[in-house]
Amino acid sequence: AQSVTQLGSHVSVSEGALVLLRCNYSSSVPPYLFWYVQYPNQGLQLLLKYTSAATLVKGINGFEAEFKKSETSFHLTKPSAHMSDAAEYFCAVRDSSASKIIFGSGTRLSIRP
Amino acid sequence: NAGVTQTPKFQVLKTGQSMTLQCAQDMNHEYMSWYRQDPGMGLRLIHYSVGAGITDQGEVPNGYNVSRSTTEDFPLRLLSAAPSQTSVYFCATRGDPGDYGYTFGSGTRLTVV
Repeated sequence: AQSVTQLGSHVSVSEGALVLLRCNYSSSVPPYLFWYVQYPNQGLQLLLKYTSAATLVKGINGFEAEFKKSETSFHLTKPSAHMSDAAEYFCAVRDSSASKIIFGSGTRLSIRP
Repeated sequence: NAGVTQTPKFQVLKTGQSMTLQCAQDMNHEYMSWYRQDPGMGLRLIHYSVGAGITDQGEVPNGYNVSRSTTEDFPLRLLSAAPSQTSVYFCATRGDPGDYGYTFGSGTRLTVV
């Protein structure tokens, strides 16, 4: 069965510092992987997705993620954190039936001034 | 273009009451789904539909019913509310079957007392 594991339920970084949110996946088929962001009291918004094309995927708001098959990882990064990046971030993988996606438990990102 | 509209935004129910959470979309998306979000558990799929007249269960379907009579609407019914159903509920849609970027509504926060 497909699954994703997000390492760290809460990450705190200083404004201007590197953001690194970790996600490892398990998939019995070539994976489609996603990162979503949820701002307080809002629904989820797609940040970026990997669908077997380029392994380095660029998304909105300066975020990017790299698919590493050897490490079964799909970590999310941003070179310089901004206060507006404070939110909860979810990694997700497409189910093998292709009928749904499965979410990780989420990582809350806090930004220190 | 409203996207995905969920109503109500907030609801308090007494144990045993029934209610319907509404989800409407104006993007002509065939795929619609319901998730519940609980702290530390990410989002879990309740039910989904790949088109009008077709529904299927997700990972946590017990206590919930759905139907899909039109492309636009996908209501979620709680038959007899229980405190364990206290959660935030999200409706999500998907357009192109090959594009797994979901569009989320802003959620319904339900409390069962």
